[in-house]
Amino acid sequence: EVQLLESGGGLVQPGGSLRLSCAASGFTFGTYAMSWVRQTPGKGLEWVSMILAGGSPTSYGGSVKGRFTISRDDSKNMLFLQMDSLRGDDTAVYYCAKLTTTWHFDSWGQGTLVTVSS
Amino acid sequence: DIVMTQSPHSLAVSLGERATINCKSSQNILYMSNNKNNLAWYQQKSGQPPKVLIYWASTRESGVPDRFSGSGSGTDFTLTISGLQAEDVAVYYCQQYHSTPYTFGQGTKLEIK
Repeated sequence: EVQLLESGGGLVQPGGSLRLSCAASGFTFGTYAMSWVRQTPGKGLEWVSMILAGGSPTSYGGSVKGRFTISRDDSKNMLFLQMDSLRGDDTAVYYCAKLTTTWHFDSWGQGTLVTVSS
Repeated sequence: DIVMTQSPHSLAVSLGERATINCKSSQNILYMSNNKNNLAWYQQKSGQPPKVLIYWASTRESGVPDRFSGSGSGTDFTLTISGLQAEDVAVYYCQQYHSTPYTFGQGTKLEIK
């Protein structure tokens, strides 16, 4: 059974940084592309970033490009999201999601809440 | 960016009846090389992450009941739930994976009338 478990969320001040982690199990992690998707009550679901199997290329949504960095450690079955220069509108639940070979999301974690506020 | 527009925003349907949710993309999301539309439908119940129901616009994910069906091509798509059950109360989202940034519709909240 595929399991994705996010961690690292919390309260951070504007301009601060946070690193999210996602522990994956139940599948051959290194052979699948992975993504981060966030959700806010006001803006719904927003795709944040994606990393292909092997670690490259990576891609980002326009609102986070240049501030967030996605990475993976296939030896530890871990996905990461380094978030810098955080803003209030980055406040959201962040989900780790697995992509299929046909490019839709077939598994999601339970999410971790990031709150950016002073 | 491809904009996904869902309608209606909310929907109330009686148990056993049919629910229809529409999704329109701002660009054609048909992948010519395999003649598949790069569109998925997700169901999100309260307090849970989204769950995929349909991909390639009309292919049901394994384990999804056959009362859920998807149709459409190009820019116009529909999710149909035939014989609504109480457990189908949720928010439904369409999503295009034709090109990055992947984008979602704003969601349709389905309730029981």
